[in-house]
Amino acid sequence: QTVVTQEPSFSVSPGGTVTLTCGLSSGSVGTNYFPSWYQQTPGQAPRTLLYNTNIRPSGVPDRFSGSILGNKAALTITGAQADDEGDYYCVLYMGSGIWVFGGGTKLTVL
Amino acid sequence: EEQLVESGGGLVRPGGSLRLSCAASGFTFDNYEMNWVRQAPGKGLEWISYISSVGSTKYSADSVKGRFTISRDNAKNSLYLQMNSLRAEDTALYYCARFHTSWYLDLWGRGTLVTVSS
Repeated sequence: QTVVTQEPSFSVSPGGTVTLTCGLSSGSVGTNYFPSWYQQTPGQAPRTLLYNTNIRPSGVPDRFSGSILGNKAALTITGAQADDEGDYYCVLYMGSGIWVFGGGTKLTVL
Repeated sequence: EEQLVESGGGLVRPGGSLRLSCAASGFTFDNYEMNWVRQAPGKGLEWISYISSVGSTKYSADSVKGRFTISRDNAKNSLYLQMNSLRAEDTALYYCARFHTSWYLDLWGRGTLVTVSS
C-alpha cells in the first residue's frame, strides 16, 4: 500500500521561509493527485490552505503557496508568523475514490 | 452560517457498534458529496469514507471496509457512519467534512470522540 510521506517536524524563524513536502513511498506526485494542504492547531478542526496543488481558498493569506517540486507536492510559507505554528497535512487522491493523508508535519515558529 | 455538527460518539466495548451522525446547516446539503475523516489521539488525519451527493456511490478505506458504512438522508440534511465490529484502533475523533467540487475538503465539523475500550 502506498504511503504518503511528510517531514515529521520542521522549524522556521519568524519572518523566514519554509517548504514542506508531500511525497509517495513509491512514485511521483503530480497534479493528477489533486494535492491539498490543511493546517490544524491544537483543539481545532483542520483548515484548508491549498487545493489542486496551488489554489488558495478565499481568506487564506498569500504567504501560503503550493507547487510541485521534483517528485513531490510542496507547501511554502513565506514570511512565517507565530500563528503559523501547528500541524500541516497533505492529502492525495489515489484513484478509485480513495484519498490518503500524509502523516503530518509539526511546524514550530521560533 | 455553514456548519457541520457531529454527534453519537462515546465509549463502546471492542466488537460493539455505534452510529455517528453529522447535521448540516446553512447550505444545500444535497448538492454536496461528503466524507468522514478520523484522528486517533495524538496522531494524524485518516480519510475513511466518501459518499456522493445522492448516496449512490460510496468508497471506504481498507482499514474500515466491511465494518463501517456511510449513508445520508438528504431530507434530514444528515450524514451517518454506522460502525460495527469496533476495535481499539478505531478510537479517534471522527470528523465529517464536505467535499468541494474542486476536489478538496472545504468545511469540517468539530468532531465526535469514539473510544473503544473494555
